[in-house]
Amino acid sequence: RKEVEQDPGPFNVPEGATVAFNCTYSNSASQSFFWYRQDCRKEPKLLMSVYSSGNEDGRFTAQLNRASQYISLLIRDSKLSDSATYLCVVNPSGNTPLVFGKGTRLSVIA
Amino acid sequence: DGGITQSPKYLFRKEGQNVTLSCEQNLNHDAMYWYRQDPGQGLRLIYYSQIVNDFQKGDIAEGYSVSREKKESFPLTVTSAQKNPTAFYLCASSIGPTGSNSPLHFGNGTRLTVT
Repeated sequence: RKEVEQDPGPFNVPEGATVAFNCTYSNSASQSFFWYRQDCRKEPKLLMSVYSSGNEDGRFTAQLNRASQYISLLIRDSKLSDSATYLCVVNPSGNTPLVFGKGTRLSVIA
Repeated sequence: DGGITQSPKYLFRKEGQNVTLSCEQNLNHDAMYWYRQDPGQGLRLIYYSQIVNDFQKGDIAEGYSVSREKKESFPLTVTSAQKNPTAFYLCASSIGPTGSNSPLHFGNGTRLTVT
């Protein structure tokens, strides 16, 4: 099983739709989790950290399920500007660098 | 404004030449990282450094070298030994050491093309 796995998509959704992505991780000792957004030919940018209790930032909600070892990202009321690749990032454990998933591509259509 | 600066944005080289990519940060971050991204692929870690004058190999260090003589600077040299050097190179930094809960902050990348 890969350390961090994401469905590559693409997810094509109409404006205003609600869309959710999951990301599974293999190391049960993983400590911290993040969602990044990457636009085409640009650098990744931090979207939000994922806390054990879940967290919300406007239209975006992130959840952590430790029992099933996955994190999720929910986007409500999708905008055209949400079109991007969403990267799941996990700190496996200990003194090791963050591990990036390959990303899920979202395309919001008018 | 604080941030990470990578230069140049686009770089073209002939096969067999070494090339050095610049990365400078004024965020006072301890840890710095170099990643490579190929089209349609995820980020792969090349090298990282948690402190001045110290660095560790990542998953794909062969054909690359780095130095960390100053906290602000972490240049990456792509040597002629790197078999497929054409890629998008991303430098990042984090305030805390590797393994902490600190997220990464990225520079805007250097797109290297070797022909």
